[in-house]
Amino acid sequence: EVQLVESGGGLVQPGGSLRLSCAASGFTVNNNYMSWVRQAPGKGLECVAVIYSGGNTFYANSVKGRFTISRDNSKNTLYLQMDSLRAEDTAVFYCARRLSTSWTFDYWGQGTLVTVSS
Amino acid sequence: QSALTQPRSVSGSPGQSVTISCTGSSSDVGDYNYVSWYQQHPGKAPKLMIYDVSKRPSGVPDRFSGSKSGNTASLTISGLQAEDEADYYCCSYAGSYSPHVIFGGGTKLTVL
Repeated sequence: EVQLVESGGGLVQPGGSLRLSCAASGFTVNNNYMSWVRQAPGKGLECVAVIYSGGNTFYANSVKGRFTISRDNSKNTLYLQMDSLRAEDTAVFYCARRLSTSWTFDYWGQGTLVTVSS
Repeated sequence: QSALTQPRSVSGSPGQSVTISCTGSSSDVGDYNYVSWYQQHPGKAPKLMIYDVSKRPSGVPDRFSGSKSGNTASLTISGLQAEDEADYYCCSYAGSYSPHVIFGGGTKLTVL
């Protein structure tokens, strides 16, 4: 059974850093396109970072230069390193797997809340 | 690149049908058959309902259907049920836009 479990969220001050983790089971992270999608309170979904099976990474303009997506194959875990955090980064962050044959997210984690506030 | 455009809310009575639109551009919805729809109940993760414009994942009722015309995709829910009340988001592959997928702003479906 495919499962994604995020962790690492919490309260951080503006300018601070946080690293989110997404532990996967039932499939291999390294062989899949994975992404981080965030949802600000009361707002819609925004894909902020993706990593291809080959290792290429892409970011939304809103986080480029501040966030880094990576993975640890030995732990079958996806990460999102978030630096220089801003109040507008406050959101629930979901990790999601892309369906191998389509540009579709077929499995999502339960989400982890990041709050940026002084 | 701006988010795909969805109506903020739609409503219908049990048993009726509703359609939610999702308007993009020739750089996303209009150029690719990679439109997906997600259902999200409060406090829950999004759930895939439709992919590749009109395909249904296993377990999704056939009351849910999708279509596309030009730059606009649509999700139709027939035989509305109380449990269909949720937020719905469309999503499209967006080619050269980084990071390659773009979501709609979301539509709140109210079952009256």
